[in-house]
Amino acid sequence: DQQVKQNSPSLSVQEGRISILNCDYTNSMFDYFLWYKKYPAEGPTFLISISSIKDKNEDGRFTVFLNKSAKHLSLHIVPSQPGDSAVYFCAASAEDYGQNFVFGPGTRLSVLP
Amino acid sequence: NAGVTQTPKFQVLKTGQSMTLQCAQDMNHNSMYWYRQDPGMGLRLIYYSASEGTTDKGEVPNGYNVSRLNKREFSLRLESAAPSQTSVYFCASSQQRYGYTFGSGTRLTVV
Repeated sequence: DQQVKQNSPSLSVQEGRISILNCDYTNSMFDYFLWYKKYPAEGPTFLISISSIKDKNEDGRFTVFLNKSAKHLSLHIVPSQPGDSAVYFCAASAEDYGQNFVFGPGTRLSVLP
Repeated sequence: NAGVTQTPKFQVLKTGQSMTLQCAQDMNHNSMYWYRQDPGMGLRLIYYSASEGTTDKGEVPNGYNVSRLNKREFSLRLESAAPSQTSVYFCASSQQRYGYTFGSGTRLTVV
């Protein structure tokens, strides 16, 4: 059973609009979360993180929101740009897991010009 | 700025053949990992090495072996390849619990 879920395999958004990518997790011990971005034929690259002591973290156009009670996090991209078209992975870890992260299946974002 | 380097980038094997995927990092990271990526499954951990001299199984270790040759290098071996091992393999390294640096991947096809 997947501990980290991304229930939307794909998402299409118009350039300039907001992209919202969602992630749900089942393990209440998870306390640190990451988003990775992956282009075809490349390795995933780190995008943004959030610790469970926060409910929001911003970095430029990217904001991650964490709702611990709902075991849900979301990544907002505003405004969306064609270069944001990629697969986005959500990942979670718990103190007991050391540095091991559990990844979701990914959401493919397409930003249309 | 090499980061994490994986070789080869592509490989086609026949069922039953063996091969070793190589990974090296130049960031002086303690921990290294091997993941596989399959459609709809995300990234699944095969093996990891928390420090030089130690290795541990991840979520999907069957059919694989690893060697942490030194702090820089972490190799993944398929002793007898099977079609189910067709996948994209990623090596990663990390220093603290703040995320990984990934290599660019090895696309393996087993026929």
